[in-house]
Amino acid sequence: AQSVTQPDIHITVSEGASLELRCNYSYGATPYLFWYVQSPGQGLQLLLKYFSGDTLVQGIKGFEAEFKRSQSSFNLRKPSVHWSDAAEYFCAVSFTGNQFYFGTGTSLTVIP
Amino acid sequence: GAVVSQHPSRVICKSGTSVKIECRSLDFQATTMFWYRQFPKQSLMLMATSNEGSKATYEQGVEKDKFLINHASLTLSTLTVTSAHPEDSSFYICSAMDSLGTDTQYFGPGTRLTVL
Repeated sequence: AQSVTQPDIHITVSEGASLELRCNYSYGATPYLFWYVQSPGQGLQLLLKYFSGDTLVQGIKGFEAEFKRSQSSFNLRKPSVHWSDAAEYFCAVSFTGNQFYFGTGTSLTVIP
Repeated sequence: GAVVSQHPSRVICKSGTSVKIECRSLDFQATTMFWYRQFPKQSLMLMATSNEGSKATYEQGVEKDKFLINHASLTLSTLTVTSAHPEDSSFYICSAMDSLGTDTQYFGPGTRLTVL
């Protein structure tokens, strides 16, 4: 069965530090890959997505993600975290372009 | 672009009543919309997939007679929670996929339902 794993339930970083959120998926084929961010009590905002081509994808708010086929990973990175980045981050995969599978999310806390 | 709205953002109702939640794609046409439920500190659980002009497809374990979905136009889908009970209290989020084939879901801001 297809699955999406976000190994880190909660991450705390200092403002200005770099960030990497992990995401792994299990499936034979290469899926469509997404990262979403959710602020408390809000819906999900699309940060970036990967369908094909360049494996390093640039998104909004200074985020980027790299697809590594050999590791079945799509980790999200940001070189310098801002206090406003504190939120819940969800990785999602889609194999048909229709049904989405979400990871369990990673909660990010930013320390001043 | 790609904005999805939900109304209401928050609703409190008495047990046994029905509640309707609207999901609208504001600047694009959505042939497919999705309804999710999210419990506190948890991920999103897909409830159903709604296609314009046809019956919704419900995920296993979701009662279609309790969660009525209507997708009457390319910009509007509604979720009606019938005979709501306290255990239906949750955060309901819709998403919409545009008809241009971008294979991307755009999410609404969510609706917080509290059943007393």
